[in-house]
Amino acid sequence: GAVVSQHPSRVICKSGTSVKIECRSLDFQATTMFWYRQFPKQSLMLMATSNEGSKATYEQGVEKDKFLINHASLTLSTLTVTSAHPEDSSFYICSAPGPIDRRADTQYFGPGTRLTVL
Amino acid sequence: GENVEQHPSTLSVQEGDSAVIKCTYSDSASNYFPWYKQELGKRPQLIIDIRSNVGEKKDQRIAVTLNKTAKHFSLHITETQPEDSAVYFCAAIATAGGTSYGKLTFGQGTILTVHP
Repeated sequence: GAVVSQHPSRVICKSGTSVKIECRSLDFQATTMFWYRQFPKQSLMLMATSNEGSKATYEQGVEKDKFLINHASLTLSTLTVTSAHPEDSSFYICSAPGPIDRRADTQYFGPGTRLTVL
Repeated sequence: GENVEQHPSTLSVQEGDSAVIKCTYSDSASNYFPWYKQELGKRPQLIIDIRSNVGEKKDQRIAVTLNKTAKHFSLHITETQPEDSAVYFCAAIATAGGTSYGKLTFGQGTILTVHP
């Protein structure tokens, strides 16, 4: 199947700092990637859709100036949490639709990034 | 937009029993319904899926049924084992041309515990 990686897997930072999370499609190209946030014992909530070569589309209630998304290439999307605060502590997961020749109708998830803001 | 409701939120069964998780969706345009299993701290893993042109699909101990008219779909796990314990999520999406560039909407999740 298609492989999606994320880096880092875990990050601890001080309040007020910025944190960058990378999402890569390793063996296929992804013009679209999705970023989710998951709080403990809750479901995955879509934050934004990352589009290669254009601006990201944010879901209602998600601050685009706080969660900066850059889809730099067909295999890389980054999420930067700016001026992080403890309430931003969460599990962040990205996903990408499968390539046309391999289950394009499903999405492949990265392993997730556990962000803890002190 | 799409709204997916999932029940129950927690489910506890004895090893060997069956487990059933139910979901309803609101958008009649949704045509692809995957089910994910998520273990603590890990990514969701696709365990089975069904498309709107099919009413039932089975893969060993796991089966999914879909009722398009009622807009609900269910996950059935038979002969449950302790390693089936995890959080299960249903999801719905409207796909076009065999791709999933639309938004995947998740249910709230079901914590399944299988007691030995």
